[in-house]
Amino acid sequence: GEDVEQSLFLSVREGDSSVINCTYTDSSSTYLYWYKQEPGAGLQLLTYIFSNMDMKQDQRLTVLLNKKDKHLSLRIADTQTGDSAIYFCAEGTSGTYKYIFGTGTRLKVLA
Amino acid sequence: DTGVSQDPRHKITKRGQNVTFRCDPISEHNRLYWYRQTLGQGPEFLTYFQNEAQLEKSRLLSDRFSAERPKGSFSTLEIQRTEQGDSAMYLCASSLRRAASYNEQFFGPGTRLTVL
Repeated sequence: GEDVEQSLFLSVREGDSSVINCTYTDSSSTYLYWYKQEPGAGLQLLTYIFSNMDMKQDQRLTVLLNKKDKHLSLRIADTQTGDSAIYFCAEGTSGTYKYIFGTGTRLKVLA
Repeated sequence: DTGVSQDPRHKITKRGQNVTFRCDPISEHNRLYWYRQTLGQGPEFLTYFQNEAQLEKSRLLSDRFSAERPKGSFSTLEIQRTEQGDSAMYLCASSLRRAASYNEQFFGPGTRLTVL
């Protein structure tokens, strides 16, 4: 089945690290994506990871993938107020081109 | 601006009316997608085009919904006899077909539909 789950809310203090978690069920997923959505703006791709990787780091962002448990996480180091947004994980499978999105995690960064 | 554009950004209509939305993808992108996002939810896939061919439709796309991409460039999404449950943000995305399965989709700002 197709079901991607995320926790709904996360609140952190400015300068702390944020960790947003995602679980998915489609074992055939080949790429997993993290998108950011700010009010009034479109979805912005932050980073992605290929399913045969365990970790990917991109500046302040670290993606961890546990394929056995179908668990994906996004760590944002030194979280800033500008990081306040909704974060979506999405899975894409080879052969079908649609994304299956999670429910989104609303990150609030407290000054 | 070379991103994905959508028009209109907002649409308010009365129940039972027809509405049409337009999406202009990034010019060299041959794949185009429509998603629907309701409040507090992630985007849900509606349909997908490769060039002018509509290759996949979700079961969410009832017979009141129709999408076209006549020349393989812009696309329209029409909803006939709108219902209050159609109120949502309609998102368009485009991507460029590659040999590998990596398929980054670029999203437009969306059209917010409110059905009264």
